[in-house]
Amino acid sequence: AQKVTQAQTEISVVEKEDVTLDCVYETRDTTYYLFWYKQPPSGELVFLIRRNSFDEQNEISGRYSWNFQKSTSSFNFTITASQVVDSAVYFCALSNTGKLIFGQGTTLQVKP
Amino acid sequence: DVKVTQSSRYLVKRTGEKVFLECVQDMDHENMFWYRQDPGLGLRLIYFSYDVKMKEKGDIPEGYSVSREKKERFSLILESASTNQTSMYLCASSFWTSGRADTQYFGPGTRLTVL
Repeated sequence: AQKVTQAQTEISVVEKEDVTLDCVYETRDTTYYLFWYKQPPSGELVFLIRRNSFDEQNEISGRYSWNFQKSTSSFNFTITASQVVDSAVYFCALSNTGKLIFGQGTTLQVKP
Repeated sequence: DVKVTQSSRYLVKRTGEKVFLECVQDMDHENMFWYRQDPGLGLRLIYFSYDVKMKEKGDIPEGYSVSREKKERFSLILESASTNQTSMYLCASSFWTSGRADTQYFGPGTRLTVL
């Protein structure tokens, strides 16, 4: 069975703090994709990143970085120097055939 | 930029009404998806389509049907709306690449209330 677990339901930080959102997944497949999406209060899911199972290189995009570790089945997301605009629900998702399996989401609140 | 649009952001309907939710994408994607999102239950796949006139059931298809007559348009139909179908409905689309569906891009969502 495939499963994605985001153990942190809600996180609250003060602006400029760094914050890491955890994602742990389960799959028996050797080929799969991992995703992060952001859902701001407006409701639309915004695609942030896709990683395939053969690429364990960490990725950095501005203040965002992602750490993929197959050994621990984790794909964690770090926001450096958080801003109020980062406040949103963040979803981690897993896919092998193209159907997405979502985690429950982590609500991030960044206070000014 | 990928653009997925949904016909309404907010919709209020009465129990028993037939409800149509429309989704249009402008990227020539083969695959289209309908999800519903509920607090505590996350996002759940209702139906998806990998080609015109083709459809596959997702995890929670009961009470819903879909229609895909044109590649760019995917409709979700509630034949007889019920209060337990009050939810946020999200549409997504993706390419079909190397034998699997590629990154899904989502529309803005429709918040449906059934009274």
